[in-house]
Amino acid sequence: KAGVTQTPRYLIKTRGQQVTLSCSPISGHRSVSWYQQTPGQGLQFLFEYFSETQRNKGNFPGRFSGRQFSNSRSEMNVSTLELGDSALYLCASRVGQGLSDTEAFFGQGTRLTVV
Amino acid sequence: KQEVTQIPAALSVPEGENLVLNCSFTDSAIYNLQWFRQDPGKGLTSLLLIQSSQREQTSGRLNASLDKSSGRSTLYIAASQPGDSATYLCAVKKTSGSRLTFGEGTQLTVNP
Repeated sequence: KAGVTQTPRYLIKTRGQQVTLSCSPISGHRSVSWYQQTPGQGLQFLFEYFSETQRNKGNFPGRFSGRQFSNSRSEMNVSTLELGDSALYLCASRVGQGLSDTEAFFGQGTRLTVV
Repeated sequence: KQEVTQIPAALSVPEGENLVLNCSFTDSAIYNLQWFRQDPGKGLTSLLLIQSSQREQTSGRLNASLDKSSGRSTLYIAASQPGDSATYLCAVKKTSGSRLTFGEGTQLTVNP
């Protein structure tokens, strides 16, 4: 059974550019969440999607956005990149959403470097 | 607001030792608690999931306990090995919503 797949694994972008990251959840999982990991702030929740709808959003500026497709694959987009956006972006996959779901499985992450 | 704290921040032990990692959380209204392992530059690997109604879970040399009323969880690693060297993170899920709130992690080094 394939795990959570994130692409690309590494990205280098210039300040002001935009970037799109992709996450394919485990087959049969319908909930996808995104997290940002930095040395200073640790792991912080960005947003969660279930059935193509954003269900939860963390405390990040509007430059961070996402979407989910009918096959449960998700993308997140960061516009007008800043140096502080350099981080490891992690995607988590769950079977369902809310009280009925259980264990979260994470992908290998996308390492974004903004120069 | 839920806050999760992990103590110690770093731990170095000789191979073969039994060790305990600690996790505390401020809001006891949790649905479950999950322990993860992260190797440098990699994603998170799920180790153990404890539902709020459970007291402990075991997997191989790992045992995790949960005391929801006191807001604490421990991860016990028996007979540590150099391959256990990694950062260990605990995360709690509230009863509403699916977001996980993470601790800062404990960086474990097991010396041969």
